[in-house]
Amino acid sequence: DIQMTQSPSSLSASVGDRVTITCRASQGITNSLAWYQQKPGKAPKLLVYAASTLEGGVPSRFSGSGSGTDYTLTISSLQPEDFATYYCQQFYSSPRTFGQGTKVEIK
Amino acid sequence: QVQLQQSGPGLLKPSQTLSLTCAISGDSVSSNSVSWNWIRQSPSRGLEWLGRTYYRSRSYNEYAVSVKSRITINPDTSKNQVSLQLNSVTPEDTAVYYCARSSEAVIGALDYWGQGTLVTVSS
Repeated sequence: DIQMTQSPSSLSASVGDRVTITCRASQGITNSLAWYQQKPGKAPKLLVYAASTLEGGVPSRFSGSGSGTDYTLTISSLQPEDFATYYCQQFYSSPRTFGQGTKVEIK
Repeated sequence: QVQLQQSGPGLLKPSQTLSLTCAISGDSVSSNSVSWNWIRQSPSRGLEWLGRTYYRSRSYNEYAVSVKSRITINPDTSKNQVSLQLNSVTPEDTAVYYCARSSEAVIGALDYWGQGTLVTVSS
């Protein structure tokens, strides 16, 4: 199985801050990576697919980048509605494993 | 607009069978460009992909090794829904279970999710 390691596991930030979350795969996944946002009691919501393509309706302050084994989700200017937990997922091979999550909290 | 509506019991005893249904609207269970997935989430395991079913001229299934001996995912074309069965549950199967669509339009990512069903296994 491909292991997905996210860092950090949590972070505290203020509105307007630039936030970066990283995800490292245990082997190359050729950009077969998605990022999701999850709020308490809700299902995850797709933000980015194919490592860098923004899903329709997702604000442009979100961006994804990376290649090979290392990928990044960046929020350029954190907004109040962005406080949530973020997950990466690889869909290069089955099982389609997720990272353990990064909780973004208000400082 | 695709919508996934989950249903099924939320409380089971150990050794029983977990059975959940995901009713699909706005898409077809037999579409050749999507897959229908089951995922669960618990504090101890995080998000765990369990398996999927998909049509590419015929029906295929794919399961995670961790549950492969106990899981069945079935498409029902007459009702346009997909079901999950997990046999011989234990308290470790306690989790929120989600159905979700993965689509070639988003290169396999999970773009639509059900509302989630909390399943508790307890004697």
